[in-house]
Amino acid sequence: AQSVTQPDIHITVSEGASLELRCNYSYGATPYLFWYVQSPGQGLQLLLKYFSGDTLVQGIKGFEAEFKRSQSSFNLRKPSVHWSDAAEYFCAVGIVGGYNKLIFGAGTRLAVHP
Amino acid sequence: DVKVTQSSRYLVKRTGEKVFLECVQDMDHENMFWYRQDPGLGLRLIYFSYDVKMKEKGDIPEGYSVSREKKERFSLILESASTNQTSMYLCASSTGGVGNTIYFGEGSWLTVV
Repeated sequence: AQSVTQPDIHITVSEGASLELRCNYSYGATPYLFWYVQSPGQGLQLLLKYFSGDTLVQGIKGFEAEFKRSQSSFNLRKPSVHWSDAAEYFCAVGIVGGYNKLIFGAGTRLAVHP
Repeated sequence: DVKVTQSSRYLVKRTGEKVFLECVQDMDHENMFWYRQDPGLGLRLIYFSYDVKMKEKGDIPEGYSVSREKKERFSLILESASTNQTSMYLCASSTGGVGNTIYFGEGSWLTVV
C-alpha cells in the first residue's frame, strides 16, 4: 500500500541555520512526489514537486528537495532558514490514475529560534 | 491567482446537527477534494469529485457525504455531527491527473460539542 512517512514531528532550528526535513515513501511505481507548506491558520501551498528527470528539484522560497530512489526518500532542504519559514511541512505522493489524489505524511512542524 | 474559498472558517455545532461545509473554486477545475487534517495524522482524503455530480470515496468517508451540483462548488455534509468529527477540514481543487498542482482553501475549523 502507498504511504508516506515523515519521521520528525517537530524540529527546531536557529535562524540562519541549514534545514533538512525527512520524507520516506512507499509506492510501487515511479512516484510523483510533493512538498507542501502550511503557515499558521492557512491552507497548504505547494513548495515543489518531482516527477522525473533531475533528482534535485528547486522550489519556491529557496527550498530544494532530492529524490533518492534507492532510499525511497524525498528530503526537503534549505541552506539558511528565515523566521518566516516557521510552519508545518507536508510530504505527499501522487497516485497515478487516481484523479490527482495525494497521500500525505503526518507533517513536520518547524520552529525557528531567533 | 487560483482561489479556493471555504465560506466558513470557524464553526461550532452540537452533536447530532446536520452540518454543511461549502467550497467554491474559481478556476474551472474538474477535480475537487475534501480532506480532514488532524495533528499527527496529516491530511486524510474524505471524498473527491472529478466532474459535476460525480464523486468517489476517499480513505475516511464514514459519517460524511458530498454534493457537487455545479462545477465550481463542492459541499461536504455531516449528516449527524459527532464529537469525533471535530477537526480542520480542507477543500482543494485541481485540473487533470497526477502531477497537476492542487490548490487548497484556508480550511474550516469545526468543533462539535
